[in-house]
Amino acid sequence: EIVMTQSPATLSVSPGERATLSCRASQSVSIKLAWYQQKPGQAPRLLIYGASTRATGVPARFSGSGSGTEFTLTISSLQSEDFAVYYCQQYSNWLRTFGQGTKVEIK
Amino acid sequence: EVQLVESGGGLVKPGGSLRLSCAASGFTFSHYSFNWVRQAPGKGLEWVSSINSGNAYMYYVDSVRGRFTISRDNAKSSLDLQMDSLRADDTAVYYCARASTGGNYDPIDIWGQGTLVTVSS
Repeated sequence: EIVMTQSPATLSVSPGERATLSCRASQSVSIKLAWYQQKPGQAPRLLIYGASTRATGVPARFSGSGSGTEFTLTISSLQSEDFAVYYCQQYSNWLRTFGQGTKVEIK
Repeated sequence: EVQLVESGGGLVKPGGSLRLSCAASGFTFSHYSFNWVRQAPGKGLEWVSSINSGNAYMYYVDSVRGRFTISRDNAKSSLDLQMDSLRADDTAVYYCARASTGGNYDPIDIWGQGTLVTVSS
């Protein structure tokens, strides 16, 4: 099983500031890495796939980078609607696994 | 509109069974692989099972293998999850989720709204 580890668990950011979220895989997943956003009471939403490709309709302030075992999700200028929990997921293996999530909260 | 709608959740006693269903609309169901993903109360996401478009490959997380069975009916555009020998730690919201293609290694691009399964005596 590929273990996905996200850091930090909670990120306190002021609106308009940059947020940087990290995701590490226990072994290489190439670029088969996705990021999802989940707001309270809602289903997750795909933000990024292939480590760096934005999904349809995702604002340009969201960007993903990395390959192999180290990945980053950057939100360039946080808007009020961006405060949520973010999960990474690898899909390089049939046993696809999620990270434990990073909660982005208002500072 | 692309949509996934789950049903079948509810309260069940430990050791009992439940069958979840997912009705798909707005796209050609048979072209895509599907997943079930669950989320225990206040916890993160856990992938549970997947089935590819050709109905040839089914995968399960270790904790449910042998107890849960994923299936699909392309003619009805529906996905099911038969859950047997349920345990308290199966309590979660279960999401039906579409993969972006019909293969085995693709991201999830569409999620249903989820259905709550509670296992308790």
